[in-house]
Amino acid sequence: EAGVAQSPRYKIIEKRQSVAFWCNPISGHATLYWYQQILGQGPKLLIQFQNNGVVDDSQLPKDRFSAERLKGVDSTLKIQPAKLEDSAVYLCASSLEGPSEQYFGPGTRLTVT
Amino acid sequence: AQRVTQPEKLLSVFKGAPVELKCNYSYSGSPELFWYVQYSRQRLQLLLRHISRESIKGFTADLNKGETSFHLKKPFAQEEDSAMYYCALTTSGTYKYIFGTGTRLKVLA
Repeated sequence: EAGVAQSPRYKIIEKRQSVAFWCNPISGHATLYWYQQILGQGPKLLIQFQNNGVVDDSQLPKDRFSAERLKGVDSTLKIQPAKLEDSAVYLCASSLEGPSEQYFGPGTRLTVT
Repeated sequence: AQRVTQPEKLLSVFKGAPVELKCNYSYSGSPELFWYVQYSRQRLQLLLRHISRESIKGFTADLNKGETSFHLKKPFAQEEDSAMYYCALTTSGTYKYIFGTGTRLKVLA
């Protein structure tokens, strides 16, 4: 089965610019997660979707970050405007549902200069 | 608040030596605990979960609710075990995932 796909793999932008990341989960997976992983730290959950509804977005900086999951499949995560501290790897993961195994994408490495 | 603590950033052992990666958690409910692993240039992937009580690649982990720990153990380390290991917890209800900061395991020849 195909794994979780993410694009782009790398992105370099200047502060105050906008950026968007795309994720295609494994077919049939109801739950989709976006994580931010800063160098030297573990993944931090930004937002969790169950189908196309938001389950948890308590750690999403909503003044600059937004995410959507249209039709309960693909998802996009946007940052507008970016700050230097947003430099990180953004991981997308999906799971069948509930506390089951998460399957991770390769991540997008964002550098904000 | 829920928290997962991995006290060691780096753990170096010699091949054939026992390994123990520590994980402690803080959660008032009934947790589900996992170990994820990331080998060099690979994606993060599940190693094992406490509910299955399996041994994967020789690794085991036992949930100790009294000590709120979920340490990962292997009796004889192999060079291919060198990787980044993350302990994770999910909360009941929303199944929010919380990861620890990770421990880099280096197995020396």
